[in-house]
Amino acid sequence: GAVVSQHPSWVICKSGTSVKIECRSLDFQATTMFWYRQFPKQSLMLMATSNEGSKATYEQGVEKDKFLINHASLTLSTLTVTSAHPEDSSFYICSALTTGNSPLHFGNGTRLTVT
Amino acid sequence: AQTVTQSQPEMSVQEAETVTLSCTYDTSESDYYLFWYKQPPSRQMILVIRQEAYKQQNATENRFSVNFQKAAKSFSLKISDSQLGDAAMYFCAYRSGGSNYKLTFGKGTLLTVNP
Repeated sequence: GAVVSQHPSWVICKSGTSVKIECRSLDFQATTMFWYRQFPKQSLMLMATSNEGSKATYEQGVEKDKFLINHASLTLSTLTVTSAHPEDSSFYICSALTTGNSPLHFGNGTRLTVT
Repeated sequence: AQTVTQSQPEMSVQEAETVTLSCTYDTSESDYYLFWYKQPPSRQMILVIRQEAYKQQNATENRFSVNFQKAAKSFSLKISDSQLGDAAMYFCAYRSGGSNYKLTFGKGTLLTVNP
């Protein structure tokens, strides 16, 4: 089946630094990937849609300069949290689409803690 | 915009019994997909079942089945013969039928299975 790998699974960084999270589709090409954010005991909130070879589409209220998304290849999308602050601490999950009618396949998520 | 409502923050069931999780949605579209995802403590999002809106027949996957009432915009999940491994957060999700593949999630229902 379609496998999505997300790395790292857990990262701790200091306030003011940047952190990069990778999302890879291991056995399929994903022209579209999605980045979600999940606070404890809450639902998944879509942050942005990442399209290979073009700029990401951000949801309303998401700072594009703070959450940089790059989708440079058909198997890799990255989310960079720039100048991280404690309020950015959260669980970030990526998902990828294989074909138009297929369900999304999710990565294992990344727990970000900013100290 | 579409909205997804899960009115049961928590549910519990005895092992081997049956439980039904509720989900309602609001949309003006006629073509769409509905999903139930399971998120165990590992936080991996696992697809449980999907339903195409154009299909009248309710989807079934082993012990999991849905009651899809299109006119009422209701999409409940029934888990039969509940097992300890079914304990998780369950999210109902909506996706438009066009080329916009992003998911809108409900707030989730935490299911506890009692031995």
